[in-house]
Amino acid sequence: NAGVTQTPKFQVLKTGQSMTLQCAQDMNHNSMYWYRQDPGMGLRLIYYSASEGTTDKGEVPNGYNVSRLNKREFSLRLESAAPSQTSVYFCASDSNYGYTFGSGTRLTVV
Amino acid sequence: KNQVEQSPQSLIILEGKNCTLQCNYTVSPFSNLRWYKQDTGRGPVSLTIMTFSENTKSNGRYTATLDADTKQSSLHITASQLSDSASYICVVSPSGTGKLIFGQGTTLQVKP
Repeated sequence: NAGVTQTPKFQVLKTGQSMTLQCAQDMNHNSMYWYRQDPGMGLRLIYYSASEGTTDKGEVPNGYNVSRLNKREFSLRLESAAPSQTSVYFCASDSNYGYTFGSGTRLTVV
Repeated sequence: KNQVEQSPQSLIILEGKNCTLQCNYTVSPFSNLRWYKQDTGRGPVSLTIMTFSENTKSNGRYTATLDADTKQSSLHITASQLSDSASYICVVSPSGTGKLIFGQGTTLQVKP
């Protein structure tokens, strides 16, 4: 099925560990996004990529890096995880007719 | 500061009943307003997208309305079903930014 695929679905990290969240879309969309969702708050934009080869900071970029590997893939990296990064992370792509979201990665940093 | 506020925070209704969720925003100007449904453990799924010039948009039992003068939108759910239990998120896109501002969502629980 067409859509946005995120891996992994769940992850537990120790403070200071690093990891990369993977995202791929097969809809040929130019724009891709990484959001985090925390209880009682709206989704907040971490980074986005308007097209292959470009990335820009969103609302809460500190502690994260991204790579737009090609048109399909957009990864999010935590270099040194902190408990404040415990959250649910969503990747999305945009066709100008609406966002398509992945099913999320639930990350816990202990 | 651009904000999107939703009410109520949570709502419980009986199956078959109607309900209306509210969204107030301060974003101006904006290019479109969207409503998303998010099931537990899943990503948001688009229900409706309205431009600033549209007053209403329907998607099955879901009807969204928009009053750009008062900066209010509502999502009306008709003849609710158990599968409507989810979080409903109002999202506004400021003009010229390509970005989205998300409300905190309304959690709806439909009971049999």
